[in-house]
Amino acid sequence: NFMLTQPHSVSESPGKTVTISCTRSSGSIASNYVQWYQQRPGSAPTTVIYEDNQRPSGVPDRFSGSIDSSSNSASLTISGLKTEDEADYYCQSYDSSNWVFGGGTKLTVL
Amino acid sequence: EVQLVESGGGLVQPGGSLRLSCAASGFTFSSYWMSWVRQAPGKGLEWVANIKQDGSEKYYVDSVKGRFTISRDNAKNSLYLQMNSLRAEDTAVYYCARAGSSWYVGWFDPWGQGTLVTVSS
Repeated sequence: NFMLTQPHSVSESPGKTVTISCTRSSGSIASNYVQWYQQRPGSAPTTVIYEDNQRPSGVPDRFSGSIDSSSNSASLTISGLKTEDEADYYCQSYDSSNWVFGGGTKLTVL
Repeated sequence: EVQLVESGGGLVQPGGSLRLSCAASGFTFSSYWMSWVRQAPGKGLEWVANIKQDGSEKYYVDSVKGRFTISRDNAKNSLYLQMNSLRAEDTAVYYCARAGSSWYVGWFDPWGQGTLVTVSS
């Protein structure tokens, strides 16, 4: 089984850009899609990116996703940060019979 | 509007059993993979189980294999999680989530509001 490793926390100022990384421990990051979920305190998670770089309707284009095979990692980039973006973010991927979440990254917008 | 509403959580003693339910509405339930995902207090998300549209395929995280059983009733638009031999480490909010509508599981969206399971003596 593989693991997805995220930084525990990141912080940035409103209006700036932040990138959250998600590194796959084994197997190619490109072999299975990566999703990103946002979870605000006391709420259920919602999808901000699916299938590596696709945005669900209603998610602003300030959110973007990418993968980098050279570092075997995925990234979530949020530009034009707003205070409402403050939340926990989780990456998620899978292999043949195992679905895995990263440990989560707490984004602070200060 | 797509809605998922979990129920059945509560306090149970170690070694006990509990059955969670998830009532789905606003979409064609029988067309989608369905999933359970849990979150221990103050911790991250952990996938628990998936079930295919017709129930013919089921997948579980290693830590619950042999103890938990995922099932569905497409006529009742309902998803279930039977949890046996519960342990303290199973304490978590359990979320029901819709997954993909094709041959592969896809992503989890949307999620229910969750139901809290506490395993303690």
